Amino acid sequence: QVVLTQSPSASASLGASVKLTCTLSSGHSTYDIAWHQQHPEKGPRYLMKLNTDGSHSKGDGIPDRFSGSSSGAERYLTISSLQSEDEADYYCQTWDTGIRVFGGGTKLTVL
Amino acid sequence: EVQLVESGGGLVKPGGSLRLSCAASGFTFSSYIMNWVRQAPGKGLEWVSSISSSSTYIYYADSVKGRFTISRDNAKNSLYLQMNSLRAEDTAIYYCAREAPDGRLDYWGQGTLVTVSS
Repeated sequence: QVVLTQSPSASASLGASVKLTCTLSSGHSTYDIAWHQQHPEKGPRYLMKLNTDGSHSKGDGIPDRFSGSSSGAERYLTISSLQSEDEADYYCQTWDTGIRVFGGGTKLTVL
Repeated sequence: EVQLVESGGGLVKPGGSLRLSCAASGFTFSSYIMNWVRQAPGKGLEWVSSISSSSTYIYYADSVKGRFTISRDNAKNSLYLQMNSLRAEDTAIYYCAREAPDGRLDYWGQGTLVTVSS
């Protein structure tokens, strides 16, 4: 069964860039994923779908500052020109027949 | 505009039952797979269950299998989750989420809180 691994926390300065990582378990390196953002006390928000070849398609209204990339079993979410409102939890998600899977989430702090 | 509005949460005793609802609007509900996802206090997201557009295919996480039942009424644009034999560890915010044809969850509701406590 596919497992997604994320670092629990990350931090970066206002105006800087940050790259969050989601790692697919062994044998599942070709899976596509989705990235979701969640602010405290709010429901999650879909950010983008990220394909194994690194191509990505963003949800409605997602700023150009958000981008995705892939390398092997790693899937990345890069946020450039960090703003205070980017401080949130970020989850990766994938799917297979009969199951949907989430990573443990990364809490991003904007310094 | 796609909208998903959950309701039905509340406080229930261990062993009790609760039925959650999700009212959908702004899209052709009958064409989409729908999901329930939960989040325990201070924890991450956990997939609970999914149901295909015509209810043919239904899946559950092992943690709820045999206790929860997902269903939908396409005529009412509504998704449901019947939760029986509730346990303290089922305490969470429950979200409904639409699934795009390629598997990503592309729209989420705001959630409804279920608290299981004596």
